[in-house]
Amino acid sequence: DAKTTQPPSMDCAEGRAANLPCNHSTISGNEYVYWYRQIHSQGPQYIIHGLKNNETNEMASLIITEDRKSSTLILPHATLRDTAVYYCIVRPSIYNQGGKLIFGQGTELSVKP
Amino acid sequence: NAGVTQTPKFRVLKTGQSMTLLCAQDMNHEYMYWYRQDPGMGLRLIHYSVGEGTTAKGEVPDGYNVSRLKKQNFLLGLESAAPSQTSVYFCASSYLPGGGTDTQYFGPGTRLTVL
Repeated sequence: DAKTTQPPSMDCAEGRAANLPCNHSTISGNEYVYWYRQIHSQGPQYIIHGLKNNETNEMASLIITEDRKSSTLILPHATLRDTAVYYCIVRPSIYNQGGKLIFGQGTELSVKP
Repeated sequence: NAGVTQTPKFRVLKTGQSMTLLCAQDMNHEYMYWYRQDPGMGLRLIHYSVGEGTTAKGEVPDGYNVSRLKKQNFLLGLESAAPSQTSVYFCASSYLPGGGTDTQYFGPGTRLTVL
């Protein structure tokens, strides 16, 4: 079973920040939080990952709460091309489980003009 | 640099027929994976490989076999296709940088229908 809980859908206005929440209250100390997205039946695309600290890259920012029980993916200026299903995934270090990703239902983000 | 490619893109089979899906990557990645995605669902891991000549079972391995004879290729076989195997199949690959974390790169998918 997926170890994360995400809202099934969200809307966001184009140009505004999209904040996608994820609950992972049972996360263990050696588990990372990963975000992938899937645009209309294409292969999933990696966005960002983190362990404890907040992370930022060219695509997004990841904010992890101090107790690590939840996180938020932030797309700072959403565009229509960001419309996709966003998956929050918790997984241990690749050394332990061979790198497997357990996908849940994800959040379907609709960016509207 | 083509990344991860999958062959074929679409296929229709009759129940009981066999077929092989090919995944190829040109990034020299050690790890490769096969997932399936049913309508409205997230991806589920079928089999994976942590290196040439090695394979392991994932969440839903029944009815599938795999082989990794070459580092760049990962084959998924259906010996006797069933309608329940109608799905979109995604291949992915990754490498293992320092720190024990990786990024998986996915192919475009193969849409398989079993009648």
